[in-house]
Amino acid sequence: AQSVTQLDSQVPVFEEAPVELRCNYSSSVSVYLFWYVQYPNQGLQLLLKYLSGSTLVKGINGFEAEFNKSQTSFHLRKPSVHISDTAEYFCAVIPSRDDKIIFGKGTRLHILP
Amino acid sequence: GAGVSQSPRYKVAKRGQDVALRCDPISGHVSLFWYQQALGQGPEFLTYFQNEAQLDKSGLPSDRFFAERPEGSVSTLKIQRTQQEDSAVYLCASSLGPRGEAFFGQGTRLTVV
Repeated sequence: AQSVTQLDSQVPVFEEAPVELRCNYSSSVSVYLFWYVQYPNQGLQLLLKYLSGSTLVKGINGFEAEFNKSQTSFHLRKPSVHISDTAEYFCAVIPSRDDKIIFGKGTRLHILP
Repeated sequence: GAGVSQSPRYKVAKRGQDVALRCDPISGHVSLFWYQQALGQGPEFLTYFQNEAQLDKSGLPSDRFFAERPEGSVSTLKIQRTQQEDSAVYLCASSLGPRGEAFFGQGTRLTVV
C-alpha cells in the first residue's frame, strides 16, 4: 500500500524568509509526485508535479520541489515567502498503474509579519 | 465550463436523511474523482470514474455511499441515512485522463446534525 507523510502539521515562518515543507512517501511501486495548495475557502490547486526527468521541478508562485528517490522524499521549498502564501499545502502521489491520488494530511503554512 | 462546479456548496442534513451532491466536471474530462476531507485532514479517496464506468470504489466507507456518472459527464454522490461521522467536505475533481492534472471543485461542506 502507498502512503504519504507530511511531518509538520503547521509551519510558522516570517515573511521574506525561506521555507521547506517536508514530504515522505512509502510505495512498493514507482510513483508520480504532486504538491497541491488550498487557499482559505478555495479548492485545491496544483502547485507542481514530478512525473519523470529532472528531479528538481519548478511550480507556480516561486515554489520548487526536489524528488529524492533514495530518501523517498519530495520536499517543497520557497526561497522567500509572502503573506499571500498563507494556505494549506498537500503532498500527494499517484502510484504507477493506478489512477487515484493519495494525499498527505497537509501542512498549514503561517506567514508571520 | 471554466472549472469543476459542485453543488450545493453547503448542506445541513438531519441524521438519517438522504443527501445528493452534484459535480459538474470540466467539459471533455474523462476522469472524475470523489474525495472526502474531514476537518484538519487531507482528502481521502472515495471513488473514481473513467467516462461512465466506475473503475474504483474502494474508498466508499459503507454501502450507504453510492456514486454514479450515467452519461460520462455530471456525477452525483449519494449518501443514504446520513450519520454524524459523514460530516466533511466532499471534493470532486476531473482530469483529461489517467494521471493527468486533476482540477478540483470548491467542495460541498456537509454537516449532519
